[in-house]
Amino acid sequence: GNSVTQMEGPVTLSEEAFLTINCTYTATGYPSLFWYVQYPGEGLQLLLKATKADDKGSNKGFEATYRKETTSFHLEKGSVQVSDSAVYFCALPQNYGGSQGNLIFGKGTKLSVKP
Amino acid sequence: ETGVTQTPRHLVMGMTNKKSLKCEQHLGHNAMYWYKQSAKKPLELMFVYNFKEQTENNSVPSRFSPECPNSSHLFLHLHTLQPEDSALYLCASSQGDGRDTQYFGPGTRLTVL
Repeated sequence: GNSVTQMEGPVTLSEEAFLTINCTYTATGYPSLFWYVQYPGEGLQLLLKATKADDKGSNKGFEATYRKETTSFHLEKGSVQVSDSAVYFCALPQNYGGSQGNLIFGKGTKLSVKP
Repeated sequence: ETGVTQTPRHLVMGMTNKKSLKCEQHLGHNAMYWYKQSAKKPLELMFVYNFKEQTENNSVPSRFSPECPNSSHLFLHLHTLQPEDSALYLCASSQGDGRDTQYFGPGTRLTVL
């Protein structure tokens, strides 16, 4: 089956700093790739996704590009805010083309942004 | 966001109690999931239901018993739990037809005394 490896945190940044959270994957075929975010006290919510190679997903100032050459989907943001403090999860389908939509998640990276 | 709701949000129970967690999705999805999120451990998939049929049981102990009466509702029945079962239990749903985005509820924070 597919697998995902995500940079472990915690990551602490000052407001307006540049953020990169690394995510690499192994997969059969070219599955969709996801970043989910979990704010304190809440469930996970989809942050962005990319469905094919070279696609760029973007939302709320965050971006990630589907790189099949390096099998990576790194999350970036040019200027983080205190409100971005959360745990970020990289994810992809358990099996390519699986009809059930099962996802596997990375271990999560906790981001803390200081004012 | 009220697409997936979970009740209760917090639950404290003794090891001999029986309780149930409830999840409801208002998104018209066909697949529903239970996850366990413990401190310092990766998100663990517990059960998957697709069109009300259980399609995955990820070696979960029998003290956790899922029930899916229809595509909109999912329950997790709990009995004789252990303190190490204390965790955040998350429910999610998806279209279940290969469009893989999952939508999560806020979770139930369970504490087993």
